[in-house]
Amino acid sequence: RKEVEQDPGPFNVPEGATVAFNCTYSNSASQSFFWYRQDCRKEPKLLMSVYSSGNEDGRFTAQLNRASQYISLLIRDSKLSDSATYLCVVRSSARQLTFGSGTQLTVLP
Amino acid sequence: DAGVIQSPRHEVTEMGQEVTLRCKPISGHNSLFWYRQTMMRGLELLIYFNNNVPIDDSGMPEDRFSAKMPNASFSTLKIQPSEPRDSAVYFCASSSSKIGQGRDTQYFGPGTRLTVL
Repeated sequence: RKEVEQDPGPFNVPEGATVAFNCTYSNSASQSFFWYRQDCRKEPKLLMSVYSSGNEDGRFTAQLNRASQYISLLIRDSKLSDSATYLCVVRSSARQLTFGSGTQLTVLP
Repeated sequence: DAGVIQSPRHEVTEMGQEVTLRCKPISGHNSLFWYRQTMMRGLELLIYFNNNVPIDDSGMPEDRFSAKMPNASFSTLKIQPSEPRDSAVYFCASSSSKIGQGRDTQYFGPGTRLTVL
């Protein structure tokens, strides 16, 4: 079983739609959680951290359920520029991050 | 501020040749990570350094791969001899353990796209 599992997609949604991505992780001792975004042929970049109480950054909402070992990302009012691969990331030790394989999103005009 | 710098951006070589990838982390960052990304396996951690010391190299595929960090501003990843299955994008990332500096957020370089023929 992979440490971090995501639905690879692709998700094809129209502009303005709301889309949600899910992720599960296997290590119950995991300490920190993140969503990274990776554009085609570019490097991954931090989108947002995920906190136990849930957190929001503009149109993006991230939630964590430690009991179920489940992380989600919700994108509201999606824009063409949101098209990318979204990587679920978990930190289980001091410095190391484990990346999911990514969920591909395409927002259509 | 300059981000993580990697060179070369693209490398095409023939099987059996030595390949050296270079990375300059963000100034002041004390952790450096080498990753490999392929379609089949996604993004995998190869090795990471803390304060120039290798901490975990369990992700290094085999003895053909080696990494060094001679000082806080430079690291290399070497493949010798290279094989076609080494073809991938190799990312370097750095982070800082200091509170208030986006602690432990990893910043990635643009990557080196390696093709081994």
